[in-house]
Formats: sequence, C-alpha cells, structure tokens
Amino acid sequence: TQLLEQSPQFLSIQEGENLTVYCNSSSVFSSLQWYRQEPGEGPVLLVTVVTGGEVKKLKRLTFQFGDARKDSSLHITAAQPGDTGLYLCAGEGLGDSWGKLQFGAGTQVVVTP
Amino acid sequence: GAGVSQSPSNKVTEKGKDVELRCDPISGHTALYWYRQSLGQGLEFLIYFQGNSAPDKSGLPSDRFSAERTGGSVSTLTIQRTQQEDSAVYLCASSLAFGASYEQYFGPGTRLTVT
Repeated sequence: TQLLEQSPQFLSIQEGENLTVYCNSSSVFSSLQWYRQEPGEGPVLLVTVVTGGEVKKLKRLTFQFGDARKDSSLHITAAQPGDTGLYLCAGEGLGDSWGKLQFGAGTQVVVTP
Repeated sequence: GAGVSQSPSNKVTEKGKDVELRCDPISGHTALYWYRQSLGQGLEFLIYFQGNSAPDKSGLPSDRFSAERTGGSVSTLTIQRTQQEDSAVYLCASSLAFGASYEQYFGPGTRLTVT
C-alpha cells in the first residue's frame, strides 16, 4: 500500500493570507491529483501533475510535483472564503496499482472574512 | 448535463441488516468507481468497473461487500449483515475510461449509519 500523508490536517486563516498544504509519500507515483471537497458533495478535481518538478497554476492556486514524484504541494495566494473546503491529494500508483488512486486523509481549510 | 447521482442520500440501518447503495454514472462513461470515506479519513478505494466487469475486487473490505454493474450503466454496492464499522459515506465516481488520465466525476455520496 502506498500511503499519502497530508499536512497540516487543519488550517484556519484570515482572508487575504497565504497557505500551503503538503502531500508526502515514500512511494513514487506516476501522477498526482488535487481535489477540493465541500460538505455533502463529492470531491472535484482541481489539477493533475504528471512530470517531476512540474508546476501548475490555476488562478491563485499553485501546484507543484516533487522532482522524485513522491510529494506535492498546493499553495493558495490571498485566500478567499470561497477557498474553504477539504483539500485531498491522490496519487496514481505504478505497476499493479496503475490507474487506481490512493487518497490522503485531507487538509481542512477554513478561510474567514 | 446530469452528473453522477447516488441514492439514497442517507441510510440508517440496524446492525445485521443488508443495504443496497445505487450509483447512476454519467451517460457514456465506461469506468465506474466506488470509494468509502470515513470521518476524518481520505477516500478508501473499494472497487472499479470497466464496462460491466470488475477486474480487481481486492479493495472490498470483506466478503460482506459486493458490487455489480449492469448494462454498462447503473451500479449497486451491497453490504450484507452490516456492522457499525461500515458507517461511512460511500462515494461513486465515473470517468470516460479507466485510468487516472481520465477525470473522475464524483456523486454526492450516500451517508450510511449503522446503529
């Protein structure tokens, strides 16, 4: 089993502040995805990163895949209340685990006005 | 267009009873996935379907869990003789084809409570 650890588990910040969420593993992933989940809903895909060292930007969100494809980070600039949610990372494994996603436990982000 | 729908949205059952959870995927999506999300936990992969077949059932927690998909569309997850540890949100997702390069679209989930 490839385990993904997310940190911190919970993050509460004021509107306008920056935040970073981390996703770490001792295993290599062929790709890594980030999702946001709101209460009572399923997760929604934000981004997929596939190349070691890759950086993707989605408006105020910046995603980075580690060079060794074992870790990733999500940085939010000037957070807004609409960014509140549970952020989940999910890695696609190699070999027999190809195609199947292994999810981290998530980071609950709360942005207050 | 319609997204992934799941029913019921909430289910409360007594320990020992059987339950059936239903998933209606997006039309035309050949891959369908079931996950379980316990409080404070991430998503636990249970099973996936390519068409009507489930190549890998190793993610099912016990032999009390089974799933089927008919007509390449609707899927049912059945839990027999439910236990309190089965309490969780069961999420279904579908994608155009199997593989992480195809975006998975999730339903809102079924919250199962076993008393």
